[in-house]
Amino acid sequence: KAGVTQTPRYLIKTRGQQVTLSCSPISGHRSVSWYQQTPGQGLQFLFEYFSETQRNKGNFPGRFSGRQFSNSRSEMNVSTLELGDSALYLCASIPGLAGVGETQYFGPGTRLLVL
Amino acid sequence: SQQGEEDPQALSIQEGENATMNCSYKTSINNLQWYRQNSGRGLVHLILIRSNEREKHSGRLRVTLDTSKKSSSLLITASRAADTASYFCATDVSGSSNTGKLIFGQGTTLQVKP
Repeated sequence: KAGVTQTPRYLIKTRGQQVTLSCSPISGHRSVSWYQQTPGQGLQFLFEYFSETQRNKGNFPGRFSGRQFSNSRSEMNVSTLELGDSALYLCASIPGLAGVGETQYFGPGTRLLVL
Repeated sequence: SQQGEEDPQALSIQEGENATMNCSYKTSINNLQWYRQNSGRGLVHLILIRSNEREKHSGRLRVTLDTSKKSSSLLITASRAADTASYFCATDVSGSSNTGKLIFGQGTTLQVKP
């Protein structure tokens, strides 16, 4: 079974631009979560999707948004990029409806550098 | 905000030695998971322990959970150079069974010298 796929793997943008990151979960998995990892703040939860619905959102500004498609693939978008958005963005694939005791399988991440 | 604090922040040992890292958290949980990350890459799931379990084993890994102290430990026995990585604990939040949100600790960086 193929793992979690994230594209692109590396990205360089300039301040003010916007970016879209993609995540394809493991086949048959229906939930996707996104996390941001920075040296200063560590791993922080961004949002979570199930059946095309956002179930939970972390404490990030409205510039961060996401969506999930009917095939469970998910995208996240960051508009008006700031230097502080430079980070590793990780996507997690969850077999069913995320909840108690569900193992989350992470992708390799997209490393975003904002100049 | 971080739920967990991990201790130590960095650990350096010789190959063949055991490595122990600890995680403390603040709120009640349903389960706790440990992940490994190599050089800023993706997270690899190691083990999940539920709040009603006290100890769990997987190969060379042993995880304990003490809910009264809100702490967990990960023991890697007979370490290998390939175990060099950062290790993170992650918890959910008890009472939030309808979300998969994980709260991560800051991680322990383990270096295993050949």
